[in-house]
Amino acid sequence: GAVVSQHPSRVICKSGTSVKIECRSLDFQATTMFWYRQFPKKSLMLMATSNEGSKATYEQGVEKDKFLINHASLTLSTLTVTSAHPEDSSFYICSARELFPPVNTGELFFGEGSRLTVL
Amino acid sequence: KQEVTQIPAALSVPEGENLVLNCSFTDSAIYNLQWFRQDPGKGLTSLLLIQSSQREQTSGRLNASLDKSSGRSTLYIAASQPGDSATYLCAVSFTGFQKLVFGTGTRLLVSP
Repeated sequence: GAVVSQHPSRVICKSGTSVKIECRSLDFQATTMFWYRQFPKKSLMLMATSNEGSKATYEQGVEKDKFLINHASLTLSTLTVTSAHPEDSSFYICSARELFPPVNTGELFFGEGSRLTVL
Repeated sequence: KQEVTQIPAALSVPEGENLVLNCSFTDSAIYNLQWFRQDPGKGLTSLLLIQSSQREQTSGRLNASLDKSSGRSTLYIAASQPGDSATYLCAVSFTGFQKLVFGTGTRLLVSP
């Protein structure tokens, strides 16, 4: 299957700093990527839909100025957590849908996730 | 509101047992449904994808079924092994939306 890579896998930062998480589709192109957040022992909550070359679409309740998303190319989307607070500590996972799949199943491929800890 | 629910929330079985995980969704107009596995602190591993037009998919010891009319899907695991211990997530892509809605997950523990 297609491979999605996230970096960094773990990051610890101080309150007030900004952290950038990258999501790359390694062997396919993706016009659309999705960013999810997962709290401990909870399911995944969609934060935003990232569209290449245009503004991201945020879910209700997600602060767009807090969680900046940039999708500058067909293989890279970034999530920047600005002025991080301890309550932003969480597991962030991205996913991507192949632009031109061999078979159009609509399957989503997920990255390994990035664990953010804000001190 | 489009929601996905999974039961049970947790399940503990001895090795070798066959088991069924359940997933229900509120809107029958779905595009596809995916079952994932998540190990602690890790990302998601896709197990099976069922298209709206399909009734089931099989991969090795796993079999997933889909009944759109009743808003249900089941994941059947045959001859469970300790390595199957993980959280299993059901996710639905509802028609017209390019995103997945995840269920609450089932934490499975298979004891040797």
